[in-house]
Amino acid sequence: DAGVIQSPRHEVTEMGQEVTLRCKPISGHNSLFWYRQTMMRGLELLIYFNNNVPIDDSGMPEDRFSAKMPNASFSTLKIQPSEPRDSAVYFCASSPPGQAEETQYFGPGTRLLVL
Amino acid sequence: GQSLEQPSEVTAVEGAIVQINCTYQTSGFYGLSWYQQHDGGAPTFLSYNGLDGLEETGRFSSFLSRSDSYGYLLLQELQMKDSASYFCAVRECDSGGGADGLTFGKGTHLIIQP
Repeated sequence: DAGVIQSPRHEVTEMGQEVTLRCKPISGHNSLFWYRQTMMRGLELLIYFNNNVPIDDSGMPEDRFSAKMPNASFSTLKIQPSEPRDSAVYFCASSPPGQAEETQYFGPGTRLLVL
Repeated sequence: GQSLEQPSEVTAVEGAIVQINCTYQTSGFYGLSWYQQHDGGAPTFLSYNGLDGLEETGRFSSFLSRSDSYGYLLLQELQMKDSASYFCAVRECDSGGGADGLTFGKGTHLIIQP
């Protein structure tokens, strides 16, 4: 079975540009999470969805960040405009219904570099 | 809010046993999880403790004591492939009775020496 799919795997962009990260959760999973990982701050939860509805976006750092989940099989995380401090690895994770949401399945991540 | 403390680095010898500790401060949570992450890879779920006590999964075991706000991950028969970072994580109960996403510790880098 396919795991969580993220695209692109690597993104290099210039400051001020819009960046869109994409995620396809595992089929049948009803919770989706976006995390950001940096050396300084570690692994941080940005936002998560349950049944396509945003539940907690308190981790979204600024209004420049937005996330959507238009259907059960797709989510986007958008940064507009991007800044060098947004450089990080962005992970998407999903978890199935009926299990503790502690069991999360992570995608391979998108490595973002903002110049 | 939550905070989790774990050692930044632990070194052990191949074939030995190592314990990675995690202490936390949180007001009500569902349980303690452990994730493994190899360099350049994604976090992978290892173990979950919803109740106090020991959970065993092959060479890995995890323990939780809510009264002590403490947990640990125990790795036995260490192999070189176990060299990775290990994260403890909690999911806090929100004020509405629902659940927030995971809060991770900063991770423990485990170095295995031959």
